[in-house]
Amino acid sequence: EAQVTQNPRYLITVTGKKLTVTCSQNMNHEYMSWYRQDPGLGLRQIYYSMNVEVTDKGDVPEGYKVSRKEKRNFPLILESPSPNQTSLYFCASSSKGSGTEAFFGQGTRLTVV
Amino acid sequence: GENVGLHLPTLSVQEGDNSIINCAYSNSASDYFIWYKQESGKGPQFIIDIRSNMDKRQGQRVTVLLNKTVKHLSLQIAATQPGDSAVYFCAENPSGTYKYIFGTGTRLKVLA
Repeated sequence: EAQVTQNPRYLITVTGKKLTVTCSQNMNHEYMSWYRQDPGLGLRQIYYSMNVEVTDKGDVPEGYKVSRKEKRNFPLILESPSPNQTSLYFCASSSKGSGTEAFFGQGTRLTVV
Repeated sequence: GENVGLHLPTLSVQEGDNSIINCAYSNSASDYFIWYKQESGKGPQFIIDIRSNMDKRQGQRVTVLLNKTVKHLSLQIAATQPGDSAVYFCAENPSGTYKYIFGTGTRLKVLA
């Protein structure tokens, strides 16, 4: 089954403790991206990747890092999480970055206390 | 998501009636548009898309209309069912970019 898989689904952590949210897709898609979703603000893009070893900042990249060492995986790294990063995070992939639908993962609910 | 819809406009529709959800997009350079459905606790799910060289596209029970003059998209759902209850939002893709701009969404409530 074609899917985008995120882990974990839920995470509560403390300020400053590094964490990684994993994302994996099995559709051989070139393009992957990370979004955060907050009430009243909709989905905002954090980072995206056009292919292996090619990444770029989205609209809200501060406090986040990503890597794309292999095509199927695109982890989101929070080196020093802060409470304002409490949010619902989604990973998405598409065959091309422009002009094609994106497939979303199930989301990761992150709480930073 | 569970609390994504806290500040969303809500459309309440009787089961069996047609629903129309509207979206104003921001970038006149956008040439590709998508409607997504998001149920509570789940990720957004693709419903239908349309390119700027069209003004209407139909799927199964859904129709998307595009008015480029006023930068407006609408999603029409025919014979709305309880399973259609969700948050719906549009996304636009400015031409030649890798960016998708998402609307904040509309909550659809289907009344039995």
